[in-house]
Amino acid sequence: DAKTTQPTSMDCAEGRAANLPCNHSTISGNEYVYWYRQIHSQGPQYIIHGLKNNETNEMASLIITEDRKSSTLILPHATLRDTAVYYCIVRSLDYNAGGTSYGKLTFGQGTILTVHP
Amino acid sequence: NAGVTQTPKFQVLKTGQSMTLQCAQDMNHNSMYWYRQDPGMGLRLIYYSASEGTTDKGEVPNGYNVSRLNKREFSLRLESAAPSQTSVYFCASSERLARSLSYEQYFGPGTRLTVT
Repeated sequence: DAKTTQPTSMDCAEGRAANLPCNHSTISGNEYVYWYRQIHSQGPQYIIHGLKNNETNEMASLIITEDRKSSTLILPHATLRDTAVYYCIVRSLDYNAGGTSYGKLTFGQGTILTVHP
Repeated sequence: NAGVTQTPKFQVLKTGQSMTLQCAQDMNHNSMYWYRQDPGMGLRLIYYSASEGTTDKGEVPNGYNVSRLNKREFSLRLESAAPSQTSVYFCASSERLARSLSYEQYFGPGTRLTVT
């Protein structure tokens, strides 16, 4: 799986958009970009994923560059409850020895996002 | 719909003791996973079960065993606990999304284990 590079930490004012960058310059054609977050030692929470098109859901938007070497997670109106560690993960489908597909994730250090009042 | 549940939430063991961490999911997912997270670190995969009846080693399997009891339950056993196994343990499950060749993983709340 391609490695990712994220800033260690970022700050954002409450109510403003939070834009979290991720570099994945070695991404290959069949690898997806996933974003998860972890709020204060809780279990990680899925946010969004994409392959090459931009994606939006009720939580966030994901912008993937045309060459797919980087992406940005956008939280449009950050709140204090969005303070968390955000993980950008790039991966393809995995298969076990029996040929069954599954979806393990490899977590890096992530970006600590702090939303200020 | 409880999602992924884990028991216990907290546990303190002495070196050499054994215990089993329990995990269950009610989303009818095929795949289940055990991760550990050390302070200030990302999660690392211990074992996974791609489907009922199969288990495979992840990144850090030494000192652990797993059992996929049925489709719902996936347990993690420490046979002889060591201080290096002090960590937060997360269980997760996933299913292949119909509309894409990708997975979304759902995580449990974690078990905080201290080995003294």
